[in-house]
Amino acid sequence: GAGVSQSPRYKVTKRGQDVTLRCDPISSHATLYWYQQALGQGPEFLTYFNYEAQPDKSGLPSDRFSAERPEGSISTLTIQRTEQRDSAMYRCASSLGLNTEAFFGQGTRLTVV
Amino acid sequence: EDQVTQSPEALRLQEGESSSLNCSYTVSGLRGLFWYRQDPGKGPEFLFTLYSAGEEKEKERLKATLTKKESFLHITAPKPEDSATYLCAVQNGGSQGNLIFGKGTKLSVKP
Repeated sequence: GAGVSQSPRYKVTKRGQDVTLRCDPISSHATLYWYQQALGQGPEFLTYFNYEAQPDKSGLPSDRFSAERPEGSISTLTIQRTEQRDSAMYRCASSLGLNTEAFFGQGTRLTVV
Repeated sequence: EDQVTQSPEALRLQEGESSSLNCSYTVSGLRGLFWYRQDPGKGPEFLFTLYSAGEEKEKERLKATLTKKESFLHITAPKPEDSATYLCAVQNGGSQGNLIFGKGTKLSVKP
């Protein structure tokens, strides 16, 4: 696609529910990143994929967070048993490869009530 | 621990008043330093990548420079449309995929 596309743009969920966020990267981009961004802060790394491999998930806050990219293209980020502290902007980015510039999507604003 | 500190947190300039934004970093083996611009409600937009000390890159009114400890984003004769938050990020030699971002500098340019 022309750019990184994320859906939904906004998600409000009740505490304890599971949510799944979707990222459609720029086609031909091998590397895909997930970041969490709080208001007034820079993005914080969650995890990344190189094609379908997930070499680094050190930034995932807890085992309630998981991500997949089964065919090396679209990725999903799932948060189980959501808590209020999970409320944030979740950003996806993709790049041609490691060490090249990453292009960010518009993000998904998650609110847990 | 790898760290990125940006200063100032906020900067107000008059149109045409040149200035610089600072990004200080500590990282184990710099693989690359990235500058992004972020407008309210939008994702970060890539500006520059710098790989080694002494490197400089320019784009319109922006010029990024890199030393072994910090990077500067120089803004020459800014215009109101340059108002945004400017983010600096580093990638270390071992992290492969992890970009470590600073908190950003919020720039406001008044006409």
